[in-house]
Amino acid sequence: DQQVKQNSPSLSVQEGRISILNCDYTNSMFDYFLWYKKYPAEGPTFLISISSIKDKNEDGRFTVFLNKSAKHLSLHIVPSQPGDSAVYFCAASAETGRRALTFGSGTRLQVQP
Amino acid sequence: GAVVSQHPSRVICKSGTSVKIECRSLDFQATTMFWYRQFPKQSLMLMATSNEGSKATYEQGVEKDKFLINHASLTLSTLTVTSAHPEDSSFYICSARVAPGNTIYFGEGSWLTVV
Repeated sequence: DQQVKQNSPSLSVQEGRISILNCDYTNSMFDYFLWYKKYPAEGPTFLISISSIKDKNEDGRFTVFLNKSAKHLSLHIVPSQPGDSAVYFCAASAETGRRALTFGSGTRLQVQP
Repeated sequence: GAVVSQHPSRVICKSGTSVKIECRSLDFQATTMFWYRQFPKQSLMLMATSNEGSKATYEQGVEKDKFLINHASLTLSTLTVTSAHPEDSSFYICSARVAPGNTIYFGEGSWLTVV
């Protein structure tokens, strides 16, 4: 049973445009959400997080939106750059992050120059 | 800079031997570390939660006698793959929670190949 789902395995966008990566979850106990960027054979790099008390968190070009009623979150990257090309993982945790993370299957983002 | 360091980054071992992977928290104490495994083109799967000074908590389906986890100090957790088989070949990643807040940082990962 996949508790965190990223239904789009890949996404391609033009440089300078917006990249929107989506994530859905089923476990209502999740209250802390994170996005990671990952290259092959490397550990994930933390990008941005959001707790369930918020519906938006912004950090530079990255913004995460959380819709608790829909159990849906999204990562917006504006403007997209070729260096953003990587696999992006959505992760969720319960007890305000004290529990281990549950990861989605990842979305491969390719930003075309 | 990296807050969690993992070593070795790549290791090749013979079938039947054991291999140890170290995970260190840099400049902070980690009472809890997590070990994940990732097979090619798949998501990261939690293997176990490593607790300093006590036994690790393993996820269902993970053999605790095969994947030995030791969290002997507040800055070091080790994963030992015992009697390795080719099917154990995978990418192993550790993580630790950094206080304040609950951001979890990952090590660089260790690529294990069993031949």
